Amino acid sequence: ETGVTQTPRHLVMGMTNKKSLKCEQHLGHNAMYWYKQSAKKPLELMFVYNFKEQTENNSVPSRFSPECPNSSHLFLHLHTLQPEDSALYLCASSQEIPGRNSPLHFGNGTRLTVT
Amino acid sequence: GENVEQHPSTLSVQEGDSAVIKCTYSDSASNYFPWYKQELGKGPQLIIDIRSNVGEKKDQRIAVTLNKTAKHFSLHITETQPEDSAVYFCAASGTGTASKLTFGTGTRLQVTL
Repeated sequence: ETGVTQTPRHLVMGMTNKKSLKCEQHLGHNAMYWYKQSAKKPLELMFVYNFKEQTENNSVPSRFSPECPNSSHLFLHLHTLQPEDSALYLCASSQEIPGRNSPLHFGNGTRLTVT
Repeated sequence: GENVEQHPSTLSVQEGDSAVIKCTYSDSASNYFPWYKQELGKGPQLIIDIRSNVGEKKDQRIAVTLNKTAKHFSLHITETQPEDSAVYFCAASGTGTASKLTFGTGTRLQVTL
């Protein structure tokens, strides 16, 4: 079982809906990330949190809003999404940023479909 | 910024044969190169990584080689097994900073019986 848990596993939402993705890590890590995975494209880094503070926003549209209440939990709030936002959204964590031995640990993702 | 290219996009090998996946990177300052394996319905999992101070690293049937001069690195899987079938991603970053990892587009490996 992965140390990073994402819910829900699948989500279908209309363009006017508001929904949230949840991520929880049980590894005692200090950094958490949101990635977007689309077919035939490299993994795209969206947001980075280090010790609950956002350290990176990779030019992500404002219809995606992250929240990190503590080092173990990360949310991605979604509103007025577009069909092209349909993708697999992956959460990851690592011990620290930067870190000589801080590999990323990924969750199994939320498959999002925007209709 | 960093740009990572990965080839081939798909690879089919017979069980027991070797598989090689190659990646090139653009930023000569990059010094950390992990490889991830993603099985169907799961997130990517780190399988091996290498840092720029070594040229090769092995872990059982998996090995990674790095050529800093040519700016390319490769994943080698020997004695492939059906459970090796998955999508493999290479990545590169500078100073070991996880947040700056740039990923390749992935290679779908199919190991046939």
